[in-house]
Amino acid sequence: DVKVTQSSRYLVKRTGEKVFLECVQDMDHENMFWYRQDPGLGLRLIYFSYDVKMKEKGDIPEGYSVSREKKERFSLILESASTNQTSMYLCASSEEVSEAFFGQGTRLTVV
Amino acid sequence: GQNIDQPTEMTATEGAIVQINCTYQTSGFNGLFWYQQHAGEAPTFLSYNVLDGLEEKGRFSSFLSRSKGYSYLLLKELQMKDSASYLCAVRDHQTGANNLFFGTGTRLTVIP
Repeated sequence: DVKVTQSSRYLVKRTGEKVFLECVQDMDHENMFWYRQDPGLGLRLIYFSYDVKMKEKGDIPEGYSVSREKKERFSLILESASTNQTSMYLCASSEEVSEAFFGQGTRLTVV
Repeated sequence: GQNIDQPTEMTATEGAIVQINCTYQTSGFNGLFWYQQHAGEAPTFLSYNVLDGLEEKGRFSSFLSRSKGYSYLLLKELQMKDSASYLCAVRDHQTGANNLFFGTGTRLTVIP
């Protein structure tokens, strides 16, 4: 079974903190994605990566950065967390034309 | 850009059939996916269409018309456990990495 694992299920952080969300996949997939999911807005793409050390902005990259040093790991970084970044964050991976497999999600609350 | 529309909410009766529609506009269409998401959980893959026509998988079927920018997900013999959000997603190869863009999802409630 494909497995996409996110490091935390729930996180509470303070405004201004630097936050790292980690994602690891075990299927040697080329593509990895970070989405956030908010009520009424659906899943919105923050950043994606199609190879090691490659990264591209999605629809809402502001306030975020990413790192992909190894093929299996894709990290999302909130440089200075703000309350409007309170959300469910979902990591996914895929081959070029296959379906995306999702991690269990990280519910981040910024206070 | 991508524009994906689906109804926000639907209600259907246990044992019945329900059809969830999705319309899309995208410049580099490379497939349409349907996902199921139960509350508080991650989306799970249901179906994939890249050519026109119907794909059947047990109680679930998905249809695609590329010329109309239209898809539907058909759920037969509804069960209470089918209460979930159903997400339509379009793959766009022009944006790199064959990105998957999602609609806002349709929350389906199955009632006895």
